[in-house]
Amino acid sequence: KNQVEQSPQSLIILEGKNCTLQCNYTVSPFSNLRWYKQDTGRGPVSLTIMTFSENTKSNGRYTATLDADTKQSSLHITASQLSDSASYICVVSAMDSSYKLIFGSGTRLLVRP
Amino acid sequence: SQTIHQWPATLVQPVGSPLSLECTVEGTSNPNLYWYRQAAGRGLQLLFYSVGIGQISSEVPQNLSASRPQDRQFILSSKKLLLSDSGFYLCAWSPTVQEVYGYTFGSGTRLTVV
Repeated sequence: KNQVEQSPQSLIILEGKNCTLQCNYTVSPFSNLRWYKQDTGRGPVSLTIMTFSENTKSNGRYTATLDADTKQSSLHITASQLSDSASYICVVSAMDSSYKLIFGSGTRLLVRP
Repeated sequence: SQTIHQWPATLVQPVGSPLSLECTVEGTSNPNLYWYRQAAGRGLQLLFYSVGIGQISSEVPQNLSASRPQDRQFILSSKKLLLSDSGFYLCAWSPTVQEVYGYTFGSGTRLTVV
């Protein structure tokens, strides 16, 4: 069964600190993995998209990594800001059904001053 | 550039009343269109997707229906709302060919059934 699991469920950090969010997936055949940021009450916004051949992709202070062998991805946030407080969702697409994305339940990040 | 519009942003409806949520995409043609629901603290669940006018695929049995009367318009409906229909509804679109880099969500509709 295709699944995406994220950890931790929630995380609280102080402003300026770094953090890493984890994503494990069992989607096959793998097509691509995305990280989205979702502010409360808003639609998700894409941060990064990685295909099978990509190991790392950055978007400003956000850096995503992908290990297709172990089926793991991480999202590293550097020098966190209060505006980073949001849910971060890992989403995986399977090659045989590219219309359908498999969503993780997200990590809720709270950055405190 | 392409944009996706979804409305209304919030909606409070009594049980048993009808529902109509609308989503439109601009700046592209023949997009794939999707409706998702997100329950509080849960992941997104795909409800319907459409690859063309009049073509609707349902992912889960439910009290809702979807229609695509025009190429860039996607409507989510219900004849009689249930309390369990409350949630956050998201519309999304992706290009027909280059799906990997073009999956975009609307801003969402918060539906509360009372």
